[in-house]
Amino acid sequence: GQNIDQPTEMTATEGAIVQINCTYQTSGFNGLFWYQQHAGEAPTFLSYNVLDGLEEKGRFSSFLSRSKGYSYLLLKELQMKDSASYLCAVLNSGYALNFGKGTSLLVTP
Amino acid sequence: EAQVTQNPRYLITVTGKKLTVTCSQNMNHEYMSWYRQDPGLGLRQIYYSMNVEVTDKGDVPEGYKVSRKEKRNFPLILESPSPNQTSLYFCASSLFGRGDNQPQHFGDGTRLSIL
Repeated sequence: GQNIDQPTEMTATEGAIVQINCTYQTSGFNGLFWYQQHAGEAPTFLSYNVLDGLEEKGRFSSFLSRSKGYSYLLLKELQMKDSASYLCAVLNSGYALNFGKGTSLLVTP
Repeated sequence: EAQVTQNPRYLITVTGKKLTVTCSQNMNHEYMSWYRQDPGLGLRQIYYSMNVEVTDKGDVPEGYKVSRKEKRNFPLILESPSPNQTSLYFCASSLFGRGDNQPQHFGDGTRLSIL
């Protein structure tokens, strides 16, 4: 079966750094995605990892360890607009995309 | 402009009355997918399609049907809707399976209420 775990909620301060973890167990692996979603809106793409290591994109970085079934999303220089849900999703070997339940991040002044 | 278009955006209907939510994409993507999103449960995949005439069940296919007769369209059909299908639905498309797993493009969502 598929199992993707991430924390339900996190709070961080404006200007700080926050790390959102994701662990997964899936039927095969074809890549891991991170999405941002504001309430009532469609998810928007943040990052994609298929090989082990760190991918950096501006204020956002994502790390993957396939042997550990583990990823994290790192957000630097937090801004108030970063308050949103962050979704971890794994593409399995059959090309089904399984999402975690999402992490609700609140950025405080 | 590259986009995924869902219709309707909002629908309130009654139990048992068949309905179809349409989804169309203009990016020539082979892969299309439907998700439902419920509070506390996250996004769950209902069905996906790797190409025309090829569909596969996701995590929660019960009570839904799909068809993929053309590459650009992937309608979601609720033959006999029930209140537990009240949810926010998203359609998405991508190039998954083409050796380039670029991210999905999502539609704006359809908020469905079944009374």
